[in-house]
Amino acid sequence: QKEVEQNSGPLSVPEGAIASLNCTYSDRGSQSFFWYRQYSGKSPELIMSIYSNGDKEDGRFTAQLNKASQYVSLLIRDSQPSDSATYLCAVRSSNTGKLIFGQGTTLQVKP
Amino acid sequence: GAVVSQHPSWVICKSGTSVKIECRSLDFQATTMFWYRQFPKQSLMLMATSNEGSKATYEQGVEKDKFLINHASLTLSTLTVTSAHPEDSSFYICSAREKGTYGGYTFGSGTRLTVV
Repeated sequence: QKEVEQNSGPLSVPEGAIASLNCTYSDRGSQSFFWYRQYSGKSPELIMSIYSNGDKEDGRFTAQLNKASQYVSLLIRDSQPSDSATYLCAVRSSNTGKLIFGQGTTLQVKP
Repeated sequence: GAVVSQHPSWVICKSGTSVKIECRSLDFQATTMFWYRQFPKQSLMLMATSNEGSKATYEQGVEKDKFLINHASLTLSTLTVTSAHPEDSSFYICSAREKGTYGGYTFGSGTRLTVV
């Protein structure tokens, strides 16, 4: 089992729709979770961080965390073509403090 | 917000030569910096953890003699790829977290290395 798992996609949604990106992790002791966006050829950009169970909203983005299910998700409302990118889920290891990345989900928002 | 500057953004070098990549935290102090490598269509793979004033910690399978890391100050870490070969061609990215904080890591803009 991979430490952080994501569906590689591509996930294709029409412009204006809600995009839902999912991530599961194996380290039950992890307390810090992050979503990064990476455009092709560029480095990752932090979108959201979440530390507590429940939802955290920031503009069009909502991160959801369920530690019991070891599941974290990212919702993008009113998706725009500019949201088309690879979204990386990252979990901070409870043992080492290092960030462990999932393989990323490619999102395509079609006009 | 926190800014991490990475240079150069791209470099082409001949096989057998060495290349140095710099990573600077511009407006914060970073006790720890991380170096990642990313091959096309793959996720980020942690290469090593760079600690200010001490030796870097390398991940399993990463050759410490080939990838030399120096973290001489709280704002600068360097990665030197020694005796580069075409298989070292990749996207190298550093990241840092502000000392004393528990937030997300900020990434540099990355360095595209091509070894010919």
